[in-house]
Formats: sequence, C-alpha cells, structure tokens
Amino acid sequence: KNQVEQSPQSLIILEGKNCTLQCNYTVSPFSNLRWYKQDTGRGPVSLTIMTFSENTKSNGRYTATLDADTKQSSLHITASQLSDSASYICVVSGQAGTALIFGKGTTLSVSS
Amino acid sequence: NAGVTQTPKFQVLKTGQSMTLQCAQDMNHNSMYWYRQDPGMGLRLIYYSASEGTTDKGEVPNGYNVSRLNKREFSLRLESAAPSQTSVYFCASNPQSSGANVLTFGAGSRLTVL
Repeated sequence: KNQVEQSPQSLIILEGKNCTLQCNYTVSPFSNLRWYKQDTGRGPVSLTIMTFSENTKSNGRYTATLDADTKQSSLHITASQLSDSASYICVVSGQAGTALIFGKGTTLSVSS
Repeated sequence: NAGVTQTPKFQVLKTGQSMTLQCAQDMNHNSMYWYRQDPGMGLRLIYYSASEGTTDKGEVPNGYNVSRLNKREFSLRLESAAPSQTSVYFCASNPQSSGANVLTFGAGSRLTVL
C-alpha cells in the first residue's frame, strides 16, 4: 500500500536553533515529492519539490534532501524563526494519473 | 491575482441542514480538488475534477456532491450535514489534468455541524 509517514508528529524548538523533519514513503513507482508549509488557519503553500534525480535543494533557510534508494526525504530548517511555526506536509506523487499521497504532517513550534 | 478563493470561511450548521462550499480559481488551471483536514488525519481527498465537465470520487466521498460549473468554479455540497462532517475544507487547483504534485490551495472553510 502506498503510504507517506512523517516524523516527528510535533516538535518544539527555541528560536535560532536548527531542526530536521523526516518523510518516509512506500510509493512506487515514484515521480516526485513536495514539501508544503501550512500556517495556522491557512492553506498549504509549496516550499520545494524533489524529483527522482535530485538529492538536495535549498529554498532560503529550508533545505530538502531526497534518498530515492531508501525512500526517505528530510526538510532541514536552519536558524529557525518564530514565523517557521507551522505544519509541514510531505506529499508524494507516484505513477501519472494516480492520486497524490499525503503525509499527516509535522507541527513545528518555535519559541522565543 | 487571487489564486484560489473559497467561501464561506466559517459556517455553523445544524444536523440535517444543507449547504454549498464555493471555490473559484483565476489561474486557468485544469484540475480542481476538494480536501478535508481533520486533526491527526491529514488532508484527505473528497472529490476532484480533472477537467471541465468531469468529476470523480476521492478517498472520502460519502455525504458529499460536487459540481464543476465551469473551468473556474468547483463547488462542494453537503445535502444533509452530519457532525462527522465537522472539518476544515480546502479547495485546490492544478494546472494539469493529471494528478501532478503542483497544487495551489485556498485558505480553507471551517465547517461545524452541531
């Protein structure tokens, strides 16, 4: 069964610290993986997308990695800010025409 | 450029009442989707429309109906609301007709059924 598992479920860190969120998937065949950020009371917004051939991609303080062999992705946030407090959702796309597979998300709280 | 607009943002219904959630996108996208988001469950697909004039069931379609009125608009109707339909509903669109991983989401509609 195609699944996307995210860990941890929730995370609390101090402002300025780094953190890493994990996404493991069993989707096969694999097309791409996208990370979304969802602020409280808002819809998800795309952070970055990883295709099969990409290992690392950065978007400001956000760096996503992908290991297609182990079917794992991570989202690393550097020098966290209060505005990073949000839910981070991993979404995997498999074979063309099939439904997207959503992870349940990781809720990050950054405190001062 | 407004993107995806959902109305209403908040709604309270009594069990058995009906209502329609409206969604419109101004990006000329082909596909549109309705998701519900519940605590601990993540986003689950209710219905989708790959193109104007077509609709298909998603993971949790029971109790809902949809209409793809034109390329811009995709509405979600609850004919007889139940407490189990209390949730936050998100509309999304995709420039392609297939399930490509490039969704633009609306801000959400929070529905409470008493």
